[in-house]
Amino acid sequence: QKEVEQDPGPLSVPEGAIVSLNCTYSNSAFQYFMWYRQYSRKGPELLMYTYSSGNKEDGRFTAQVDKSSKYISLFIRDSQPSDSATYLCAMRRAGGTSYGKLTFGQGTILTVHP
Amino acid sequence: SQTIHQWPATLVQPVGSPLSLECTVEGTSNPNLYWYRQAAGRGLQLLFYSVGIGQISSEVPQNLSASRPQDRQFILSSKKLLLSDSGFYLCAWSVLAGPNQPQHFGDGTRLSIL
Repeated sequence: QKEVEQDPGPLSVPEGAIVSLNCTYSNSAFQYFMWYRQYSRKGPELLMYTYSSGNKEDGRFTAQVDKSSKYISLFIRDSQPSDSATYLCAMRRAGGTSYGKLTFGQGTILTVHP
Repeated sequence: SQTIHQWPATLVQPVGSPLSLECTVEGTSNPNLYWYRQAAGRGLQLLFYSVGIGQISSEVPQNLSASRPQDRQFILSSKKLLLSDSGFYLCAWSVLAGPNQPQHFGDGTRLSIL
């Protein structure tokens, strides 16, 4: 079993829709959770960075963490064609060695059509 | 602001040839540096990380090596490339101070082995 599972999609939605992207994980030691957006032939760009359980909002994006269920989500409101990209979840343990190893999901391909 | 540069953007190499990919970071000192490989449709696999000049840790046994000759320079190398070395190689950095910092990625090198 992979430590982090992410539905690869692809996911196709109309412009203006609410998008829900999800990851589940098995390692209860994960404390820090990230969402990256990756456009084609580009490197991942950090979208959201959260610690432990709860919600964090940034513009049209909301990151949600439910540690009891080992489940994280990214919601995109009023989706735009420019949101079309691959979305990667990532997470890491707290403390330990200082390099901060991240464990990634395999990414969800999202297309928002006009 | 901090920026990260990777080159070349695209590389086509024959099997058995050597490899050198370079990554440099600007606008920060003493960063943690990372090399990842991303296979098509898959998440990111950490290959190497470095917490300082000359300090390299390997995550997976492989045909590749890494070096950090200067504080903000990270190099990925191979003496003889294999077909299985094809992929998208990403360099990333994070702030050294404090273990719980997000990582920021360059735009990668797409390596094709013929």
